[in-house]
Amino acid sequence: AQRVTQPEKLLSVFKGAPVELKCNYSYSGSPELFWYVQYSRQRLQLLLRHISRESIKGFTADLNKGETSFHLKKPFAQEEDSAMYYCALRSTTPGANSKLTFGKGITLSVRP
Amino acid sequence: DTGVSQNPRHKITKRGQNVTFRCDPISEHNRLYWYRQTLGQGPEFLTYFQNEAQLEKSRLLSDRFSAERPKGSFSTLEIQRTEQGDSAMYLCASSPTKLAGGSYEQYFGPGTRLTVT
Repeated sequence: AQRVTQPEKLLSVFKGAPVELKCNYSYSGSPELFWYVQYSRQRLQLLLRHISRESIKGFTADLNKGETSFHLKKPFAQEEDSAMYYCALRSTTPGANSKLTFGKGITLSVRP
Repeated sequence: DTGVSQNPRHKITKRGQNVTFRCDPISEHNRLYWYRQTLGQGPEFLTYFQNEAQLEKSRLLSDRFSAERPKGSFSTLEIQRTEQGDSAMYLCASSPTKLAGGSYEQYFGPGTRLTVT
């Protein structure tokens, strides 16, 4: 079974502070990991995926297979980063459908 | 193409009534997913279509739930004899076939919020 754990529900920081949103996963194979973001009154949208190894809006995330983690980081938070963030996993097993398994999400609040 | 659309956006119904939601995916996306999201939870997978074929259903999808995608384009999700526990946000997502990089990006609709009274 695959599972995604986001241990915190809320993270509140001041503008300019570093941010780390934690994500741990449980999966027997080699998964694909994603971070999705939902801004206020907007739909869920992809922020980044581990295979791209890219930085989006200053956010990065590294897949650590040893610790089964995919934490999302940003060195200097901005007020516009305030949103709900979901970590998600997809199976890469051949023949598996590409459904996403989501964590419960974390609210990031960046104060001025 | 403005993305995945869902109708209605909100639905209030009385317990025991039937409801039907519609999802229009992004054109040419052959994969379509339904998820359900309750308060304080992330989206949970319900069912998946590739073209018109329903290939997987979650155990969350009881016999009262049925989904169709008759022509491989739009999809409907029907809930019969609604219960208060069905109150949730129902999300639809679509994705293209495998991208060159081997990853599937799912594009989500705005959701239909169901309230069963």
